Amino acid sequence: DVKVTQSSRYLVKRTGEKVFLECVQDMDHENMFWYRQDPGLGLRLIYFSYDVKMKEKGDIPEGYSVSREKKERFSLILESASTNQTSMYLCASSFRDRLYQPQHFGDGTRLSIL
Amino acid sequence: DQQVKQNSPSLSVQEGRISILNCDYTNSMFDYFLWYKKYPAEGPTFLISISSIKDKNEDGRFTVFLNKSAKHLSLHIVPSQPGDSAVYFCAASETGGGADGLTFGKGTHLIIQP
Repeated sequence: DVKVTQSSRYLVKRTGEKVFLECVQDMDHENMFWYRQDPGLGLRLIYFSYDVKMKEKGDIPEGYSVSREKKERFSLILESASTNQTSMYLCASSFRDRLYQPQHFGDGTRLSIL
Repeated sequence: DQQVKQNSPSLSVQEGRISILNCDYTNSMFDYFLWYKKYPAEGPTFLISISSIKDKNEDGRFTVFLNKSAKHLSLHIVPSQPGDSAVYFCAASETGGGADGLTFGKGTHLIIQP
């Protein structure tokens, strides 16, 4: 079974803080993704990575950065947290070279910025 | 510009009957379509998918239909069960899921009435 693990289920931070969200997968997937989910907006792609040290911007990268130092780990960084970054953050992973395979998601981190 | 649209925010169906969830898309480059199910405070769970070379895919109680000319897909659940009550997201990829993030609809909240 695919396991995508996000380090925190709930997190509360203050505006201006630097925030790190961590994600680990155990399926040797090349691709890893960060999405945020907001009510009425569905899931939106922030960043993804198809290999170690590689990254691609998604649809809403502003205010975020990412780090992929190891194949199994993908970190999302909020450089200076703001209240509009209060959201549910979801990490996912998938194979790069096997077509028509789904992405598998972690259970999410509910982040509140006060 | 929303490329994947789920026009029904919610749907109520009686237990035992058929649930039909609909999804429309505008991007003709999409070649892989997926349905995810999401409970509150959990990550999305992959349900079923279909590639653009097929028009139907079945897995137990779940069937996905794809109409490329109408740019429309639907998820049929037969028979509907109380545990099916959740938010369902339609998603699509341009690269068979191998090299890009997914584009999601805003979701449909399915409520199964006893």
